[in-house]
Amino acid sequence: AQRVTQPEKLLSVFKGAPVELKCNYSYSGSPELFWYVQYSRQRLQLLLRHISRESIKGFTADLNKGETSFHLKKPFAQEEDSAMYYCALSRGGAQKLVFGQGTRLTINP
Amino acid sequence: KAGVTQTPRYLIKTRGQQVTLSCSPISGHRSVSWYQQTPGQGLQFLFEYFSETQRNKGNFPGRFSGRQFSNSRSEMNVSTLELGDSALYLCASSFGGGEEKLFFGSGTQLSVL
Repeated sequence: AQRVTQPEKLLSVFKGAPVELKCNYSYSGSPELFWYVQYSRQRLQLLLRHISRESIKGFTADLNKGETSFHLKKPFAQEEDSAMYYCALSRGGAQKLVFGQGTRLTINP
Repeated sequence: KAGVTQTPRYLIKTRGQQVTLSCSPISGHRSVSWYQQTPGQGLQFLFEYFSETQRNKGNFPGRFSGRQFSNSRSEMNVSTLELGDSALYLCASSFGGGEEKLFFGSGTQLSVL
């Protein structure tokens, strides 16, 4: 069975500090991994996906198949990064996603 | 361009009733998928439609059904509502290819009394 685990429900860091949101998955095949973000009063939106190997808003995420992890990182947090972050996994196309429970990130000034 | 539009925004129903939710995808998108979001279970995949055909299905009872029209608009129906069906129902659209970015709507908040 596919499962995505985000061990931290809440994460609070100070502005300028590094941020790491953890995501672990279980899946026997080759997964597609994503990070989605929901800012206050906005829609859920894609932040980044591992196949693109891109950096969005300073965030990066590396797929580690050995540790089955896809942690989201940013070296210097900004206040506008405060949001709900969801890690998600798909099989057979991006339209069927398995989401983690989410981590609420708060950046303190 | 206009985003994914879901109507109505809020619904209140009583147990045993049925409900229909609507989703209009972004113009040109042929795939529409539906998710249920609750505080306890989080975001769970319901089903996906592509070109009027159900292409993927989640683990929900048969009371949950959907359809897609030739203009790609989709409806989701829940029959014989239960208290546990209270949730935010999100719709997402994409062009329909693999590994694509999903665009989400604002959702329909369903309350079952």
